[in-house]
Amino acid sequence: AQSVTQLGSHVSVSEGALVLLRCNYSSSVPPYLFWYVQYPNQGLQLLLKYTSAATLVKGINGFEAEFKKSETSFHLTKPSAHMSDAAEYFCAVSDSGTSYGKLTFGQGTILTVHP
Amino acid sequence: DTGVSQDPRHKITKRGQNVTFRCDPISEHNRLYWYRQTLGQGPEFLTYFQNEAQLEKSRLLSDRFSAERPKGSFSTLEIQRTEQGDSAMYLCASSLQRSGLGEQFFGPGTRLTVL
Repeated sequence: AQSVTQLGSHVSVSEGALVLLRCNYSSSVPPYLFWYVQYPNQGLQLLLKYTSAATLVKGINGFEAEFKKSETSFHLTKPSAHMSDAAEYFCAVSDSGTSYGKLTFGQGTILTVHP
Repeated sequence: DTGVSQDPRHKITKRGQNVTFRCDPISEHNRLYWYRQTLGQGPEFLTYFQNEAQLEKSRLLSDRFSAERPKGSFSTLEIQRTEQGDSAMYLCASSLQRSGLGEQFFGPGTRLTVL
């Protein structure tokens, strides 16, 4: 069975500061990993995905994540936070080793950006 | 591409009533998923369809829940004899099962409140 742990339910940064959101996974098959963002009262939008190609994955809005098998981690980073980045972020793993299997999500991390 | 749409966006009902939600996936997407998201949690898998066939249903899903996808197009999720614990956001997602692709695209969700 797959599982995801997001360390820190709330992260607060200043505008322009580094954003680091942590995600660790457990998977019985080579994982496909995802980061989604959710704005209030909206559905989830895909930020980026890891599908066994390059371990450093670049996504939309300047976000990137690095897959580290030895650490079973897939942390999300952005060099410089913007006010519009304030949202809830979810890390997810696919159960089937494909990009279209059912997803298991972490509990989410709420990112607050201070001016 | 109009994205995944869900109807209604909000539903308030009294305990014991039946409710039905509709999801229209992205056209030509052959996989459709339902998730449930409660406050402060990540989405939790409920069920998915490949075309019109329901391939998996979460063991956590009560018998009061039923989903259909006639003709492999739109899907409906029905909850019978609603309970207060059913209050949540119900998310629909769709994907195209194709090697190397197929990430899930989410709709805006239906927020259910059971009084």
